[in-house]
This record gives sequence, C-alpha cells and structure tokens, in this order.
Amino acid sequence: EIVMTQSPATLSVSPGERATLSCRASQSVSTNLAWYQLRPGQAPRLLIYGAYTRATGIPARFNGSGSGTEFTLTISSLQSEDFAVYYCQQYNSWYAFGQGTKLEIK
Amino acid sequence: QVQLQESGPGLVKPSQTLSLTCSVSGTSINNDNYYWSWIRQPAGKGLEWIGRLSTSGSTNYNPSLKSRLIISVDTSKNQFSLKLTSVTAADTAVYYCASHPLLQYYFDSWGQGTLVTVSS
Repeated sequence: EIVMTQSPATLSVSPGERATLSCRASQSVSTNLAWYQLRPGQAPRLLIYGAYTRATGIPARFNGSGSGTEFTLTISSLQSEDFAVYYCQQYNSWYAFGQGTKLEIK
Repeated sequence: QVQLQESGPGLVKPSQTLSLTCSVSGTSINNDNYYWSWIRQPAGKGLEWIGRLSTSGSTNYNPSLKSRLIISVDTSKNQFSLKLTSVTAADTAVYYCASHPLLQYYFDSWGQGTLVTVSS
C-alpha cells in the first residue's frame, strides 16, 4: 500500500504571493500523481495530472513538478478563489490520497 | 463532459446500511470507456477511495471496506450505487462519486458530495 504524505497541513499566504505545497509518496509512483482543489460545497476539481500537466481550463499560475516520491504544487500570485484545500493522489498502484493541505489567507 | 450527482439519506443509524446513488449525465453509464468510483472524506481527514465499477460488470473495492461494501449499476436509470453495511460513527463522511476514463486513473469528474452522518 502506497501512503501519501502532504505538508504542511495548513499554509498561510497573502493574496498575490506564491504558495508551495508538498506531497511525498512512501514508494516511487513515477509521475502518476494528480492534484485536486476542494472548496466547501463544490465538486472537487482536477488541477494537475501526470505530475505536471495542467487539466483543461486550469490557469497557468498552477504548476506541478516532481517525480518518484517527491512532488510539489506551486501556485503563483494567489487569487482569492485559490484559498481552499488541496489533495495529491497517486495512481501508480490503485488510488491513494494525501491528507490534504489547507491554504488559508494570511 | 460527464456530470455526477449524489443522492441518498443524510442520516443513518448505527449497524444499518448506508445507501447512496450517483446519477450520471453527459454520457451513458454503459460507455465502456469509464470507471465509476465512490470516494469519501471523514470530517477533518483526507480523501479515501472506497471502490469502483466498470460497465463490464467488474468491481474493485478498498480492502479495508470490502467485507461491507457493494457497488452496483442500474443502466436503465444511468446510475450507480453504493451500499455499505453495518455502519458505525467512523463511516460518517462526505461521500463523493467520481469517474475517470479507462486508461487514465485520475478523477476528472466529481459530484458535489453528500454528507452522511451515522448516529442514533
């Protein structure tokens, strides 16, 4: 079973600044890694797949990087709508999600 | 674009069966090119994959829930369903249905989620 660990649990950033979220896998998942955004009362939204490919309609300020066991989601120039909870998911071996990072306004 | 909507009781008593339905629009659930999944999020915790269904009839379940779980399809209604038996407070969560194309194992369509509380 692959375990996904996200850090930090909560990240406080000011609007307009950059946020960097981390995700670590307990064993290599190659680039089989996706990122999702969850806002209260809304359907989760796929942001990134294949570790770095933006999903359809996702703004260019969202960038994914990494491979193997270490991954990063960077959101440059934070907008008000970006303050949400973010999850990583590996799909190299079935499905496993991280515990999430809550991105809050500083 | 596939659209999904969960429905079902918001309150279930302990030891009873939790039953949810996911209505699919934008494609036929008979479309052989999709997997249909259930995912949940307990309060204050992360997302947990529950299980999936393919329209070929095959199912795959999270081993931790397998003994209590049935996921099935109703093609006449373009829906798939979740039944989780012998529930406890630990099964209280927001339940999502989600889908992905056959050779792509990340979820590109999600429902809005429905809160199910297990309490007497």
